[in-house]
Amino acid sequence: KAGVTQTPRYLIKTRGQQVTLSCSPISGHRSVSWYQQTPGQGLQFLFEYFSETQRNKGNFPGRFSGRQFSNSRSEMNVSTLELGDSALYLCASSRTGATNYGYTFGSGTRLTVV
Amino acid sequence: AQRVTQPEKLLSVFKGAPVELKCNYSYSGSPELFWYVQYSRQRLQLLLRHISRESIKGFTADLNKGETSFHLKKPFAQEEDSAMYYCALVNYGGSQGNLIFGKGTKLSVKP
Repeated sequence: KAGVTQTPRYLIKTRGQQVTLSCSPISGHRSVSWYQQTPGQGLQFLFEYFSETQRNKGNFPGRFSGRQFSNSRSEMNVSTLELGDSALYLCASSRTGATNYGYTFGSGTRLTVV
Repeated sequence: AQRVTQPEKLLSVFKGAPVELKCNYSYSGSPELFWYVQYSRQRLQLLLRHISRESIKGFTADLNKGETSFHLKKPFAQEEDSAMYYCALVNYGGSQGNLIFGKGTKLSVKP
């Protein structure tokens, strides 16, 4: 079966712009989580969506938002980009959430803010 | 606060030597722990779940609640084990929780 697909793979944006990242989970997976990965902070949880509802949220400013559609695809939006937002953004899907069988991760979107 | 600590950024061993990747956690309830692995140019993938008590690719991990540890072990390291290893803890902030990751340990197995 197809894995978790993230688009685009790479993005270069200017400070102050906004960006939207997309994630298509594995078929049948209703939970989609987003993580930010940086060399300094490692993997940090952004938020989780389940059946189109945000079920869990990490400690990120309101500039970071997301949504999930009825087909479980998810988008993440970052507004008013800052240099510090440069990171690899990972999407992970699972049937119900973090427990049991864990997550299946996508390859990520590498965002560079200049 | 819930936290996962992997004290070693880099661990270098020779092929055939035993390897132990350390993971300590801080959690007030009954923990659920995982090990994830990321090989070069590949996706982050699940390696082990503590609840299944399984052995994957020769790796095992035992939960020690007294020492709040979940160390990953393999008796004889292979070159193909070289990768980044992340320990993760389920944080039940929401109904199903989210994963808190350690900062990872890079394992390098030399020939």
